[in-house]
Order: sequence, then structure tokens, then C-alpha cells
Amino acid sequence: EDQVTQSPEALRLQEGESSSLNCSYTVSGLRGLFWYRQDPGKGPEFLFTLYSAGEEKEKERLKATLTKKESFLHITAPKPEDSATYLCAVQGYSSASKIIFGSGTRLSIRP
Amino acid sequence: EAQVTQNPRYLITVTGKKLTVTCSQNMNHEYMSWYRQDPGLGLRQIYYSMNVEVTDKGDVPEGYKVSRKEKRNFPLILESPSPNQTSLYFCASSLGTGARTDTQYFGPGTRLTVL
Repeated sequence: EDQVTQSPEALRLQEGESSSLNCSYTVSGLRGLFWYRQDPGKGPEFLFTLYSAGEEKEKERLKATLTKKESFLHITAPKPEDSATYLCAVQGYSSASKIIFGSGTRLSIRP
Repeated sequence: EAQVTQNPRYLITVTGKKLTVTCSQNMNHEYMSWYRQDPGLGLRQIYYSMNVEVTDKGDVPEGYKVSRKEKRNFPLILESPSPNQTSLYFCASSLGTGARTDTQYFGPGTRLTVL
């Protein structure tokens, strides 16, 4: 059964303090791994899709990486506006078109 | 503007009173999906549709129905709502699921309370 586990559940950082969020997954044949950002009361907003181990993608202060078992979302020199919940999701070939989400990491950046 | 819309945004109802939450997208997307989000459980897929007249169960389909008669619309139907269906619901759409998966765009959410 496809599964996604995110850690930590919550993370508080000082502005400028870099860190990483983890997404561990098990899936029979990875079709794609997604990262989303979600602000309170709003729908998730797409950040990245990664397809194969070794792939990396960057956007402003965010960089996503992928191995065969996990993905990291690295946040470099974060700002208060980066505060949000970050969600990871996977889609596998064996589960048709199902998409499985992790429970998210709640990130808070203090000025 | 490309978007996914949901209505209503907020709904309070009583046990057993049938309701429909509408979802519409203007991007000509083939794939549409419904999720519910509960504290500590994350987003869980209820139903998805790969194209018109093609729907399939996600992880938590019990108590829900869907239909896909037109490409742009994917309503979520609760025939007999119960309090355990109180949740935040999201509709999402994406271009399709070909050889590579693609980005899902989410609606603004519908907060449902069943008394």
C-alpha cells in the first residue's frame, strides 16, 4: 500500500535559519512526487513535481530533492512569508490514478 | 483566469439532509478529484475522475457519490450526511494522467458542518 510520512510535524525557525523538511514514501513504481504549500483556510498551491531519483528543482528559497525512498524540501534563508504548511504527495503506477498525501509540516518563521 | 471553483464555500446542515457541493474548472482538464482534509489526517482522496463518465474510488469513498457528465464539472454528493463527514473539502483538477503525472490545481475549499 502506498504511504507518505512527513517530518517534523511542526518546525519553528528564526528568519534566515535554513532547514529541511522530510517526506518518506513507499510506492510501487513512482509516477510522481509533489510538493505543495498550503496557507490557513486556502487550497494547496503547487510547488514542484519530481519524477525520478536524483532529480532536483528550485524556486526562490526552496529546493526539492528526490531519492528512491524520500524527498527533502530545503529552505534557504527563510522569511516570515514562507510560514505555511508544506504538503508532500505521491502517485504510483500500481494505484492507478490515486494520489496519497502526507499530513504535512507546519513551518513557522519568526522575524 | 484559470481556476477551480467550488460552491458553497461554507455549509452547515443537519444529519440526513442530502447536499451537493459543486466543482467547476475552466482549464479543459481531464482529471478531477475530491479530497477531504481533517486535522492530523492530512488530505485524503475521496473520488477521482479521469474523464467524462469515468470515475473511481479514492481512499475514503464511503458516504459520498460523484458524477462526471461534463468535462468541466465534478459535483460531490452526500446522500445522507452524518456528523463524521464534517470536514474541509477540496476539489482539484489536472490536465491528465499520461505517461507523466502533472500538476493538480486546487479549489478554495468548502467547509462543511453536519449537525
